[in-house]
Amino acid sequence: AQSVTQLDSHVSVSEGTPVLLRCNYSSSYSPSLFWYVQHPNKGLQLLLKYTSAATLVKGINGFEAEFKKSETSFHLTKPSAHMSDAAEYFCVVSGPYTGGFKTIFGAGTRLFVKA
Amino acid sequence: EAGVTQFPSHSVIEKGQTVTLRCDPISGHDNLYWYRRVMGKEIKFLLHFVKESKQDESGMPNNRFLAERTGGTYSTLKVQPAELEDSGVYFCASSQGGRWGTEYEQYFGPGTRLTVT
Repeated sequence: AQSVTQLDSHVSVSEGTPVLLRCNYSSSYSPSLFWYVQHPNKGLQLLLKYTSAATLVKGINGFEAEFKKSETSFHLTKPSAHMSDAAEYFCVVSGPYTGGFKTIFGAGTRLFVKA
Repeated sequence: EAGVTQFPSHSVIEKGQTVTLRCDPISGHDNLYWYRRVMGKEIKFLLHFVKESKQDESGMPNNRFLAERTGGTYSTLKVQPAELEDSGVYFCASSQGGRWGTEYEQYFGPGTRLTVT
């Protein structure tokens, strides 16, 4: 069975400070993991993905995430928040299940950035 | 390269009416997915096409929902008759890749916001 849990529904940071959005997953097999971002009235955009290569994954706009199998985590970080980072972020797990693949979304974390 | 497009962007209908949502995937993408986000809830998988075939429709909520992908190009999702609980944002995504496809990046459309009154 697969599941994904985003530990915070809302995160608020000041501009220029670090961002940490937490994600834990559960999967019976080696999953593919993704982070997507959705800005208001826009579609979901891929930030980064992990597909069993390097455990530290660098994405767009300065974001990165580290796959930690022992902790079943895939937290998203950015050293310095920008106002334009304010959006909703989704952690996604995709992997095999009986008969095929499943893609499961986390509940989302809304990031607020204060000036 | 054009992205995934969805039409309409918004739809407001009355309970009992029929609505058809359309999704045009990125050209050449065999895999097409439909998802739904009901207000305040998670984005939920509805179904997955590989070309014109339904690979997985386990997420379809009930038989009021019918998805088609004629010729393996664009897809439609029909809701008939619509109920209040069908309100939400319907996303379409497409990806390249082989039989399963979900290990590849999915490119999402902007979504259709459906309101049933």
